Amino acid sequence: DAGVIQSPRHEVTEMGQEVTLRCKPISGHNSLFWYRQTMMRGLELLIYFNNNVPIDDSGMPEDRFSAKMPNASFSTLKIQPSEPRDSAVYFCASTPTASQVETQYFGPGTRLLVL
Amino acid sequence: AQTVTQSQPEMSVQEAETVTLSCTYDTSENNYYLFWYKQPPSRQMILVIRQEAYKQQNATENRFSVNFQKAAKSFSLKISDSQLGDTAMYFCAFNSHGNEKLTFGTGTRLTIIP
Repeated sequence: DAGVIQSPRHEVTEMGQEVTLRCKPISGHNSLFWYRQTMMRGLELLIYFNNNVPIDDSGMPEDRFSAKMPNASFSTLKIQPSEPRDSAVYFCASTPTASQVETQYFGPGTRLLVL
Repeated sequence: AQTVTQSQPEMSVQEAETVTLSCTYDTSENNYYLFWYKQPPSRQMILVIRQEAYKQQNATENRFSVNFQKAAKSFSLKISDSQLGDTAMYFCAFNSHGNEKLTFGTGTRLTIIP
C-alpha cells in the first residue's frame, strides 16, 4: 500500500510568493496532520483534520498560513505571502481513526526554502 | 500540559554494540501511548516502536526494545547489535487516549561508528 504522499518534495521560492504544499493521506485514514520542523523549534503541529473537518488549528503561526481538506484523499497547506522564516520541512501525517489513538504515519516531507 | 524530555542531544556508539536512548515525560493522564520515531538523513519520520501505558510488558520490535517505567514516567529505547543504518535522529513522542495530538521530544542524534 502507498504511504502518505506529499508534493512537492522540494520547493524553492522567493519571499512574497504563494506556496502550496499537498498531501494525500493513506486510503481509509480519517485524521490528517500538518507539522513543521525547524532546527530552532523542532516538530510543531500546525493543524489537524478529522473526517475533513479542521479540529485544532492553534498551531498555525499566523494568517499567512491556511489549510484545507476538500475531501478524504487530499489536503493543502498554503502560505501567502511566504517569508524566509517559513523555511522548514513540512510533514503531513495520517491515522486510521479518531475514535481511538492510533499511530501517525508520516509522509516524506516537503523541504521549503524561501529566499 | 504534557511534556516530553530527551536529555541526550547526541550519542555515538560502535557498530554491533548496544545503545540506550532516554526519554522522560510528564502527564497527569493514566491512559496514554508512547512512541519512538526515527528520522534518518532522508528526513522521513519512521515509526520504530509503540507502547500502550496500560500494558506492563515492554514492547519489542526485532533489535529495538523499550524499558517502560510508568511510575517513573520513563520510556527508554534500547537498540541491540547496532547497525550503520541506525544512524538517525530519534524522537520520543506521547499522546493521551482520546487526544490525537502528539507531543514530541527534542530528539537525540545517534551516530553508529563503523
